[in-house]
Amino acid sequence: GENVEQHPSTLSVQEGDSAVIKCTYSDSASNYFPWYKQELGKRPQLIIDIRSNVGEKKDQRIAVTLNKTAKHFSLHITETQPEDSAVYFCAASKGRSASYDKVIFGPGTSLSVIP
Amino acid sequence: GAVVSQHPSRVICKSGTSVKIECRSLDFQATTMFWYRQFPKQSLMLMATSNEGSKATYEQGVEKDKFLINHASLTLSTLTVTSAHPEDSSFYICSLRDRLNTEAFFGQGTRLTVV
Repeated sequence: GENVEQHPSTLSVQEGDSAVIKCTYSDSASNYFPWYKQELGKRPQLIIDIRSNVGEKKDQRIAVTLNKTAKHFSLHITETQPEDSAVYFCAASKGRSASYDKVIFGPGTSLSVIP
Repeated sequence: GAVVSQHPSRVICKSGTSVKIECRSLDFQATTMFWYRQFPKQSLMLMATSNEGSKATYEQGVEKDKFLINHASLTLSTLTVTSAHPEDSSFYICSLRDRLNTEAFFGQGTRLTVV
């Protein structure tokens, strides 16, 4: 089955700096890669996602890149703010049969933005 | 996007008793729902895929007789933790995917404490 790895496990950055989180996946059939932000005790919230037919996607301060050949994908947050502090999870899924495909999560990165 | 409601949000039970957690899709007919477990400072681990009108599919290492899943309607899936023990204490969260896109939506989660 799919295995998703994520690095680093913890990340501290100064406010205004950039944060980068990297993930790898094992199943070459995976073609949908979401990123979730989870605050303590709350449900995960989707922040951005990318499909395998796209190499890069950007939404304001957040961008995601995908290298399907290497099975790598990364999250980039620019101009970080204290409210970006949370745990971030990458994930992978086979999206062909969208309603039925399970989403497998990476181990998570705890991001702290220092004011 | 889909609205997912999960209850209860918190429950404390005595060791040896059973606890039922409900997950409702409020605006979408979900033929498939997913149940995850999250221990403190860890990732979301998929427990099982709940299929409406048929048996759930459990991930490797998850005891199907301990974690009973019922998905009797297109809007409700339940997870029953039977004969709960302190090691079952965790954050349980359900999820479903909208047919129209591949985003996964999550319930609020249930914090289970077994004493």
